[in-house]
Amino acid sequence: DSGVTQTPKHLITATGQRVTLRCSPRSGDLSVYWYQQSLDQGLQFLIQYYNGEERAKGNILERFSAQQFPDLHSELNLSSLELGDSALYFCASSVIVENTGELFFGEGSRLTVL
Amino acid sequence: EDQVTQSPEALRLQEGESSSLNCSYTVSGLRGLFWYRQDPGKGPEFLFTLYSAGEEKEKERLKATLTKKESFLHITAPKPEDSATYLCAVQAPGGSYIPTFGRGTSLIVHP
Repeated sequence: DSGVTQTPKHLITATGQRVTLRCSPRSGDLSVYWYQQSLDQGLQFLIQYYNGEERAKGNILERFSAQQFPDLHSELNLSSLELGDSALYFCASSVIVENTGELFFGEGSRLTVL
Repeated sequence: EDQVTQSPEALRLQEGESSSLNCSYTVSGLRGLFWYRQDPGKGPEFLFTLYSAGEEKEKERLKATLTKKESFLHITAPKPEDSATYLCAVQAPGGSYIPTFGRGTSLIVHP
C-alpha cells in the first residue's frame, strides 16, 4: 500500500460528459502528480501541484484541469470526454521530487468513455 | 522524440533463467534514472534511483546498472512473483524535475 488513495477505481461514462477524479496523497507529501496511462502512449505526465500551486505542466489537454486543495488532496477534471480519453489515470505524490525521483503512485482510476 | 526506449517490449523466462532488461536514453546531462515495477491493475512501485555512470543498485534478485547511454535491470534466477511490467524513467536537466517514463518491459516468469 503506497498510502496514495484514488477514487473512483472505475468509471464508465459517455462522450461529451465531464468527470472528476480524486486523489489523496501520502501523509506529509506536498507534491501531487497526475499521469495518464494508455496502451499506445505509455505513462504520460499531465500536471504537478506543489503545496496548492501548479508546479509543472505536461501534455495536458485544455479540456482537462486540476487543482490541489488546502488539505493537499487533488482533483483532476476531465470534460467534453472523447473515446480517446479512455485510459488509466494515476495520481502520485512525493515530499518533493527533486531529490530522489521516488514517486508513490495510487492504484489508479480506470476511465472508460463509450 | 522519445527520450527513453525500453527493450524488449515483452520477455518470457523460465523460473531460474536470468536475463536483463534494457533502458536506453537520449537525455544529455542526466539528473537521475529510475526503475519502477508495475503489477497488473496497480500503480507503479519505485525500485531504484541511479545518478551516475558506473553506479549499481541491488534489491533481492534485481540489480540495476547505469552507463552514459543506457541502464540495465538484471534479474537473477527469477521467480514467478517477479512477473510484472518494469518501467524506466529519466529525469532531465532544466527547471522541471518530472520523470519521463518509457513504455516498459512486460516480464512473465513461468514456473
